[in-house]
Amino acid sequence: EIVLTQSPGTLSLSPGDRATLSCRASQSVAGSYLAWYQQKPGQAPRLLIYGASSRATGIPDRFSGSGSGTDFTLTISRLEPEDFAVYYCQQYGSSLTFGGGTKVEIK
Amino acid sequence: QVQLQESGPGLVKPSQTLSLTCTVSGGSISSGPYYWSWIRQPAGKGLEWIGRIYTSGGTSYSPSLKSRVSISLDTSKNQFSLQLSSVTAADTAVYYCARRGGRGELDYWGQGTLVTVSS
Repeated sequence: EIVLTQSPGTLSLSPGDRATLSCRASQSVAGSYLAWYQQKPGQAPRLLIYGASSRATGIPDRFSGSGSGTDFTLTISRLEPEDFAVYYCQQYGSSLTFGGGTKVEIK
Repeated sequence: QVQLQESGPGLVKPSQTLSLTCTVSGGSISSGPYYWSWIRQPAGKGLEWIGRIYTSGGTSYSPSLKSRVSISLDTSKNQFSLQLSSVTAADTAVYYCARRGGRGELDYWGQGTLVTVSS
């Protein structure tokens, strides 16, 4: 089973800042089957990025994903007030696993 | 627009079987290539994948839960279901159903339902 490690655990930033979130896999993620989600309190996760770098329908272009193999990054170019949330990466290989999450909080 | 809705008891006694149903609207559960999945999240913690079922009925489960989990499909009702046996307090969580696409992404989610295991 592939283990995903997200860092940092918490990111304290201000609106307008750039956010860089990391997701590292214990083994290579086949086919870049790596996705990113945003979750706000009391809500279900929302798909942001799939295939490591493709934005899901309706996701603003300030969200971008990159990476391959074992190292992946989610970048939010300029944080909007509604972007403060918890972000999870997820891979699909022989099984499906999630990272532990990164909380982006207001500084 | 595809929508998913979980339903089932909010309280289950220890050692009993947790049973939840996910009703899909806005699309046929028989259409592919989609996989219908269950995920859970204990309060204040991260997401845990439980398992999934394909339209053909083929299933795959989390290795850590495999001995206790069963997922089934009812295409006539456009529903899929989760059964988790021998539950303990550690199974208390919000349970989500979701659709998994061809690249492994979970693109549509239900709102989630809280299941508490307690006597």
